[in-house]
Amino acid sequence: GDSVTQMEGPVTLSEEAFLTINCTYTATGYPSLFWYVQYPGEGLQLLLKATKADDKGSNKGFEATYRKETTSFHLEKGSVQVSDSAVYFCALSTGANSKLTFGKGITLSVRP
Amino acid sequence: GAGVSQSPSNKVTEKGKDVELRCDPISGHTALYWYRQSLGQGLEFLIYFQGNSAPDKSGLPSDRFSAERTGGSVSTLTIQRTQQEDSAVYLCASSFGALTEAFFGQGTRLTVV
Repeated sequence: GDSVTQMEGPVTLSEEAFLTINCTYTATGYPSLFWYVQYPGEGLQLLLKATKADDKGSNKGFEATYRKETTSFHLEKGSVQVSDSAVYFCALSTGANSKLTFGKGITLSVRP
Repeated sequence: GAGVSQSPSNKVTEKGKDVELRCDPISGHTALYWYRQSLGQGLEFLIYFQGNSAPDKSGLPSDRFSAERTGGSVSTLTIQRTQQEDSAVYLCASSFGALTEAFFGQGTRLTVV
């Protein structure tokens, strides 16, 4: 079945550090890929998405590229801010009658 | 409505009681999902609806859990004879269907005492 694997957390970085959060997937068919973010005390919201190979999703300075050859969708940001502290979830969706499959999530803490 | 609406936002219930959680999806969204998030844990899939049918119920933890969706819109998740391990935040999401992003509600925080 479909699955998403995220790197183990938590991750703690200093402000302005470079961020990479790894995500790899296994899927039947050709999935769409997503990163969701959950800020403290808030609901889950979509951060970015990509729907086909080599697509790059981007939002709020975050980027992720859909790599079919390595089945990966790593999240990157060049310079993190304290306000980026949150839980990040990688997810995928495949064809009809398919649920949205999430990774376990990773907590990012950015210190001033 | 403008977003996914869940009610109640908080529910405290006694062990052994039944509870109903409600989800109003975004208008026009055909897909509806229920997930559970326990403290410090990831998202646990419960059930997925496409229209009024549920092609994937594989995540329901036991036969105490059931869900229905009527009119292709509102969904209710029912937990019978609640147990303390049912305490969690129950999240509902909706989307236009496969391959599209889902929009989440704020969740219902269920506490079984």
